[in-house]
Amino acid sequence: QVQLQESGPGLVKPSETLSLTCTVSRGSITSHYWSWIRQPPGEGLEWIAYIHYSGSTNYNPSLKSRVTISVDTTKSQVSLKLTSVTAADTAVYYCVRIGTSVAGTGFFDYWGQGTLVTVSS
Amino acid sequence: QSALTQPASVSGSPGQSITISCTGTSSDVGGYNFVSWYQHLPGKAPKLIIYDVSNRPSGVSNRFSGSKSGNTASLTISGLQAEDEADYYCSSWRSGSTYVFGTGTKVTVL
Repeated sequence: QVQLQESGPGLVKPSETLSLTCTVSRGSITSHYWSWIRQPPGEGLEWIAYIHYSGSTNYNPSLKSRVTISVDTTKSQVSLKLTSVTAADTAVYYCVRIGTSVAGTGFFDYWGQGTLVTVSS
Repeated sequence: QSALTQPASVSGSPGQSITISCTGTSSDVGGYNFVSWYQHLPGKAPKLIIYDVSNRPSGVSNRFSGSKSGNTASLTISGLQAEDEADYYCSSWRSGSTYVFGTGTKVTVL
């Protein structure tokens, strides 16, 4: 089954850019949409963005001005950049595959283990 | 972007059934049959347990069932077991081609 592995710095300074990469293995990156989801400590899940290998993207309106999601099909990687970070961006960031059913693409079926990113000076 | 509303906590004794609600609007839960539910154990990745309102992925216990009425979706866990103790989140497609999660519910097995 498909495997997702997040990687990137665990510590980012305030006002800097958070950059994460997700490597997809045991599955084709061109077969589905891919998403990033985060969970701040003690809080709930928050959807950040999604992307299709064709370039189609969409973003959480509350984060849209600071977020960029991209895909590199040659490396089977999905990346996330979040600019001007603050302590409120401290969270576990998950790379997630968006599932496909007869009805459509309304759910998240495979999740990476997540990576904790702390924003602190 | 406002989250879907879930009760903060629900509890039940082993063997009992419990139901978790997920309330949204006509722009998300009420407008689309794209409600899904996730079980989240501490230190683990969330696990999909219901998709498209009431469908179970392969391998998920049939003790988990989902439904929807109007702007409110529900997850029922029947025959509650100690291993069901976890946080549960609903999610929905929302107009504007985005996704939104619920506030989360902590399930305690007494």
